[in-house]
Amino acid sequence: GIQVEQSPPDLILQEGANSTLRCNFSDSVNNLQWFHQNPWGQLINLFYIPSGTKQNGRLSATTVATERYSLLYISSSQTTDSGVYFCAVDYRFGNEKLTFGTGTRLTIIP
Amino acid sequence: DSGVTQTPKHLITATGQRVTLRCSPRSGDLSVYWYQQSLDQGLQFLIQYYNGEERAKGNILERFSAQQFPDLHSELNLSSLELGDSALYFCASSASTDSYEQYFGPGTRLTVT
Repeated sequence: GIQVEQSPPDLILQEGANSTLRCNFSDSVNNLQWFHQNPWGQLINLFYIPSGTKQNGRLSATTVATERYSLLYISSSQTTDSGVYFCAVDYRFGNEKLTFGTGTRLTIIP
Repeated sequence: DSGVTQTPKHLITATGQRVTLRCSPRSGDLSVYWYQQSLDQGLQFLIQYYNGEERAKGNILERFSAQQFPDLHSELNLSSLELGDSALYFCASSASTDSYEQYFGPGTRLTVT
């Protein structure tokens, strides 16, 4: 099956700092999504971005499908950004199931 | 709020028992997906239903089954529960027509004692 790798596994930053999270995937995809899992366990949709660049406030994402990676940028971090960030992909030649990476745990210190 | 609802939020039960988890998709979405999040296995796809029919199966145990009803809500049935079934169970939905973006419900946290 398709492999999804996220880096770094853990990131600890001071409030106000910027960060870049990376997602590498091993094959062609139809769908790529970024999620934030908050400390209460909820999975929140951040981006649906199989290719190109999108921005939403302090967050932006870029997917380069031909090179099989995606980046999530978080600027001016706030403590509410803490949690685990997951990248998930839908293999192009499979069904619509999402295969998740192992996540990046982000901790923002006040 | 994603528009996907799941009940119950928490469930505590004993080994050997059977439970049913319920999911209502976003209005208009035809596909429902079930995922399991456990500490050792991460987030894994279990099964997908599209407009009442099973469309795809993942790492779903034979003790688990699901169905999607005519009103498009779905139920995941877990039987002969074991300690290792303790996990967060998510339901997601998508339109599966013009968009394949999946929206996740708040999850049901199952604890088997």
